[in-house]
Amino acid sequence: DAGITQSPRHKVTETGTPVTLRCHQTENHRYMYWYRQDPGHGLRLIHYSYGVKDTDKGEVSDGYSVSRSKTEDFLLTLESATSSQTSVYFCAISDTGVNTGELFFGEGSRLTVL
Amino acid sequence: DAKTTQPNSMESNEEEPVHLPCNHSTISGTDYIHWYRQLPSQGPEYVIHGLTSNVNNRMASLAIAEDRKSSTLILHRATLRDAAVYYCILRDTGNQFYFGTGTSLTVIP
Repeated sequence: DAGITQSPRHKVTETGTPVTLRCHQTENHRYMYWYRQDPGHGLRLIHYSYGVKDTDKGEVSDGYSVSRSKTEDFLLTLESATSSQTSVYFCAISDTGVNTGELFFGEGSRLTVL
Repeated sequence: DAKTTQPNSMESNEEEPVHLPCNHSTISGTDYIHWYRQLPSQGPEYVIHGLTSNVNNRMASLAIAEDRKSSTLILHRATLRDAAVYYCILRDTGNQFYFGTGTSLTVIP
């Protein structure tokens, strides 16, 4: 199994509070991704990173920011959480090479915003 | 806009082959077709991928239409452990992976 750790795995918070989810990898893969999964929507890409300090927006980036100061860590921040951000968040990593780079996923972080 | 279209659900009898279809009519020439599956309460896991030619691995086979606008994931003998949501996604040259809503596969004993 790919070395991907998400923390926290479960979090309950209140509307308006900041929340940071952490994704840590031990594979030295270049690409890291944050997805959210909601019933009826499948997985939707929030942000991704293609290197240290190199990030870009995905399909549903509003209300989220990310940072990657080290190869192994990719942080997802909700500056002011809203109930619509209640979801399961998955981190994924991928190596370079279009022909070889499959995605490896973490176990997910379940966030509930009250 | 969805990049791939899959049926919401399918059923299969145990030990029979399963053909899971996917339409991707707007695929570009450099997009790779990937398939992932997600078991309950787990993150998705890689199944197979291809560009133009059919592909086989120990888990499944991938049949890609000649015009690349559709593909089919083939599970040769469905087992109860294959019950999952199967996602057909495209990987572009920017290394972005776009998931749809997937197909929920039920395997009947």
